[in-house]
Amino acid sequence: DAKTTQPNSMESNEEEPVHLPCNHSTISGTDYIHWYRQLPSQGPEYVIHGLTSNVNNRMASLAIAEDRKSSTLILHRATLRDAAVYYCILRQGAQKLVFGQGTRLTINP
Amino acid sequence: EPEVTQTPSHQVTQMGQEVILRCVPISNHLYFYWYRQILGQKVEFLVSFYNNEISEKSEIFDDQFSVERPDGSNFTLKIRSTKLEDSAMYFCASSEWGTLNQPQHFGDGTRLSIL
Repeated sequence: DAKTTQPNSMESNEEEPVHLPCNHSTISGTDYIHWYRQLPSQGPEYVIHGLTSNVNNRMASLAIAEDRKSSTLILHRATLRDAAVYYCILRQGAQKLVFGQGTRLTINP
Repeated sequence: EPEVTQTPSHQVTQMGQEVILRCVPISNHLYFYWYRQILGQKVEFLVSFYNNEISEKSEIFDDQFSVERPDGSNFTLKIRSTKLEDSAMYFCASSEWGTLNQPQHFGDGTRLSIL
């Protein structure tokens, strides 16, 4: 399973942008980069995914480095509800999602 | 927005007893999954299911576990003889297809407590 590296924790303030980094230096050409998050006492929630180009949806933006060895999840204006564990996952050719420890994001009011 | 629903939200069972966890996936989805999360640990894949067959399973998914789609809407996980170490949150998920660009949609889980 391809490995991703994320900081254990990050902190930000409400209504400010948040940039969550992920390193995936062993990514191969067909691997998709997925982001999920898990709010307290809930199941994982899909956030966004991409292959090569940057992606935007109503929840977030995904910026993918040109060499694809890293990516950044961007929350444009954090709210208290965005406090969660964020997981960066490479989808490789299996149906399963392989979760790491993720980044615990704290949002300060 | 359609969602995956799981019942019960909390199940308490004596060690050695059988337990069935239930899930209703999103209606037009074709791929179904079970994951578990032991308290304080990572979310772990158990099994994926498509076209009434297991398509992939992990080492955790041994002979004590089975999955079934008994009708057109439910997807169940059965643990035949529960052990203390089966205590965990169990999450069901579904996706429209099984391809790499398909998101999986998760339910809010069943907390299984084995006494």
